[in-house]
Amino acid sequence: NAGVMQNPRHLVRRRGQEARLRCSPMKGHSHVYWYRQLPEEGLKFMVYLQKENIIDESGMPKERFSAEFPKEGPSILRIQQVVRGDSAAYFCASSPKDGSGNTIYFGEGSWLTVV
Amino acid sequence: QQQVKQSPQSLIVQKGGISIINCAYENTAFDYFPWYQQFPGKGPALLIAIRPDVSEKKEGRFTISFNKSAKQFSLHIMDSQPGDSATYFCAANRDSNYQLIWGAGTKLIIKP
Repeated sequence: NAGVMQNPRHLVRRRGQEARLRCSPMKGHSHVYWYRQLPEEGLKFMVYLQKENIIDESGMPKERFSAEFPKEGPSILRIQQVVRGDSAAYFCASSPKDGSGNTIYFGEGSWLTVV
Repeated sequence: QQQVKQSPQSLIVQKGGISIINCAYENTAFDYFPWYQQFPGKGPALLIAIRPDVSEKKEGRFTISFNKSAKQFSLHIMDSQPGDSATYFCAANRDSNYQLIWGAGTKLIIKP
């Protein structure tokens, strides 16, 4: 899906460093979702954002993780002081409006490896 | 109540055969049931979806069967092809709720 752009596709960080993952939604989409996928597992919802607003961050770990979707520019998922357990694929999705899942389009993911 | 249980975890089918993946849910408020296909290194892509007002939906070789009373739904892939080899995820949510609840996935391998 060329619409939702994520970068970097692959990121290696040492324990204790910071990871920043970027997501540009499809053109015309103002809703962004971040999911995490551990190896051999399904996707777990992390956070739902609209421009300049966090709507639902119930899936985000309370510490070290933060997300933003500024008025201009991509959405950013930030992980501070990474640990080995943060190694996962992080998927961004976007939709033109809130609603059922059929309007959600996924990017190709950012694979974080913590060494 | 929020879980979606998917089985089998992995499945090997001969080319030309029928692949069947099952999911079960508990929350009767769910009213949207999509299936996603994910290839290695790629994001999930919506394959087909169903709402509980119908018992079956077919798109090409892909069919969803839905059993509301049993709270189960399944994906059937007819005439399975090697290109269908991927991980398949079922999911569910309420139409008014953006938060999809995902199954754990089924790794499907189609043998030529």
